[in-house]
Amino acid sequence: GAVVSQHPSWVICKSGTSVKIECRSLDFQATTMFWYRQFPKQSLMLMATSNEGSKATYEQGVEKDKFLINHASLTLSTLTVTSAHPEDSSFYICSVAPSTSGVYEQYFGPGTRLTVT
Amino acid sequence: QKEVEQDPGPLSVPEGAIVSLNCTYSNSAFQYFMWYRQYSRKGPELLMYTYSSGNKEDGRFTAQVDKSSKYISLFIRDSQPSDSATYLCAMRGADKLIFGTGTRLQVFP
Repeated sequence: GAVVSQHPSWVICKSGTSVKIECRSLDFQATTMFWYRQFPKQSLMLMATSNEGSKATYEQGVEKDKFLINHASLTLSTLTVTSAHPEDSSFYICSVAPSTSGVYEQYFGPGTRLTVT
Repeated sequence: QKEVEQDPGPLSVPEGAIVSLNCTYSNSAFQYFMWYRQYSRKGPELLMYTYSSGNKEDGRFTAQVDKSSKYISLFIRDSQPSDSATYLCAMRGADKLIFGTGTRLQVFP
């Protein structure tokens, strides 16, 4: 499998501020990373696909200007929640897919819990 | 209709029981099927994946796919309290994974 880290694991911020979450692929170079959001007792909701060196691909209904994704290197993707509001409070998880052919299995980071007050 | 349906549970079983977790899907084009385990407040962990129909076994876990019925299962033998988690099925779509809602499993001593 692949090892993925996220930082921070937990963050509290005030409404109106911005928060940056980092996702790192520790043991291979990831041209593609994924960002998910998960509300309590709900499944994973794909927010966007992060592509190294190019713009992210956002899922329908996800505001690209609010959730800024930067995949500047093959081991790092960042998600910035801009002008955060309480409804943005959620569990954000990134993943990597070592191969985009075949199974296309993904390996997930430990997640970041965001609380907006 | 959702592409992938999964009973959210919770499913509560005694230690040592055989657990059956299931998902149904609507897209007959799906060929790759995965099971993830997610502990509370953690990221999902890949348990197993299978291709097309058939069974795959890994220790106490067996994954089964019935493409004719569009039905997949994960069996856990000799369940342990440490198996208590949410189990999500996932299937490969065109360029992403499609996840079920997850089934919460609790194994009590």
